[in-house]
Amino acid sequence: GDSVTQMEGPVTLSEEAFLTINCTYTATGYPSLFWYVQYPGEGLQLLLKATKADDKGSNKGFEATYRKETTSFHLEKGSVQVSDSAVYFCALSPRGFQKLVFGTGTRLLVSP
Amino acid sequence: DAGVTQSPTHLIKTRGQQVTLRCSPKSGHDTVSWYQQALGQGPQFIFQYYEEEERQRGNFPDRFSGHQFPNYSSELNVNALLLGDSALYLCASSTRQASTDTQYFGPGTRLTVL
Repeated sequence: GDSVTQMEGPVTLSEEAFLTINCTYTATGYPSLFWYVQYPGEGLQLLLKATKADDKGSNKGFEATYRKETTSFHLEKGSVQVSDSAVYFCALSPRGFQKLVFGTGTRLLVSP
Repeated sequence: DAGVTQSPTHLIKTRGQQVTLRCSPKSGHDTVSWYQQALGQGPQFIFQYYEEEERQRGNFPDRFSGHQFPNYSSELNVNALLLGDSALYLCASSTRQASTDTQYFGPGTRLTVL
């Protein structure tokens, strides 16, 4: 079945460091790919998405590129801030199904 | 523009009881999905409602049931509660009118089963 694998956390960085959170997926066909962010005590917020191979999603300085050949959708940010501390979830939506399959999440901790 | 809303925020129940959670979708959305997020885990898909019918279902027992109303709002019902049902229950809304599969989430209902 469809699945998403994320790197385990926590990822601990100093402010202004470069961030990479790895995400790979297994799916039949060509799913849409998403990154969601969850701040403490809150629901999920859509961070970015990509719907086809080689698409790049971007938002608030975060970027991720849909790589079909490596079945990956790694999240990157050039300079993290303390306010980026949260749990980040990679997810896929099988084409035509409008449901999400999530990874287990990666906690990011950014210190001043 | 109101986003997805859920009620209540928190609930405490005991084993064997029944619970109903409620969700109002984002304005303009007609599809509601429910997810269960256990502590430290990613959300798991429970089911999805569109046009007042269950359209898709994840790997959850039939103790979990739902309903969608004509105004697109939805309820999640869980019968015969187990300790393992303790989780954050998330509602997400989307639209089938547009060629997009993006879902928008509410803040969730935290259910504790004692």
